[in-house]
Amino acid sequence: EPEVTQTPSHQVTQMGQEVILRCVPISNHLYFYWYRQILGQKVEFLVSFYNNEISEKSEIFDDQFSVERPDGSNFTLKIRSTKLEDSAMYFCASSEVVYYDQPQHFGDGTRLSIL
Amino acid sequence: KQEVTQIPAALSVPEGENLVLNCSFTDSAIYNLQWFRQDPGKGLTSLLLIQSSQREQTSGRLNASLDKSSGRSTLYIAASQPGDSATYLCAAPQGGSEKLVFGKGTKLTVNP
Repeated sequence: EPEVTQTPSHQVTQMGQEVILRCVPISNHLYFYWYRQILGQKVEFLVSFYNNEISEKSEIFDDQFSVERPDGSNFTLKIRSTKLEDSAMYFCASSEVVYYDQPQHFGDGTRLSIL
Repeated sequence: KQEVTQIPAALSVPEGENLVLNCSFTDSAIYNLQWFRQDPGKGLTSLLLIQSSQREQTSGRLNASLDKSSGRSTLYIAASQPGDSATYLCAAPQGGSEKLVFGKGTKLTVNP
């Protein structure tokens, strides 16, 4: 069964450094998402992306964050200058279409640890 | 603003028992609701998606129900097995949005 793949599985970075998290969504999907889960807390939405542009973003997704689909298969999340509070599990998701009968499919996540 | 609550936070049952996990949401103008499974340190596996026009959705030993009017969904697991041990998350869309709002989950332990 097709799946969303994320790399790396674990990233350790010094505070203030830039980090790029990578995702390969399911190939025929058109909608892409990033969520994050701080340890012990709820999964929370960061951003959605469709047709090469952001369609929605949360208050968390400030100027330090950006997303890109650099080619036909990858979807990336960049954090420009990481903070301690960015430590979390980051999940990429994709869906074929929005609404009604199509679920969002999630990857296994990237655990980001900021030192 | 959508808020999703799951009770209980944790549940421990003996193998073979049937059980129900509860999810409530505040904004009933949803088009669907998803149930996920999360194993420790792992990603989210989509279990069931139930559309707003449906009252129930079944997959194997799992059955999800949705009552929009009361803002509730339940996940029923029949004949539980130790392999069902995981955290189960419920997620509903924010009104008019593709953004999913998650509950904190129910951590299920099935004892052999």
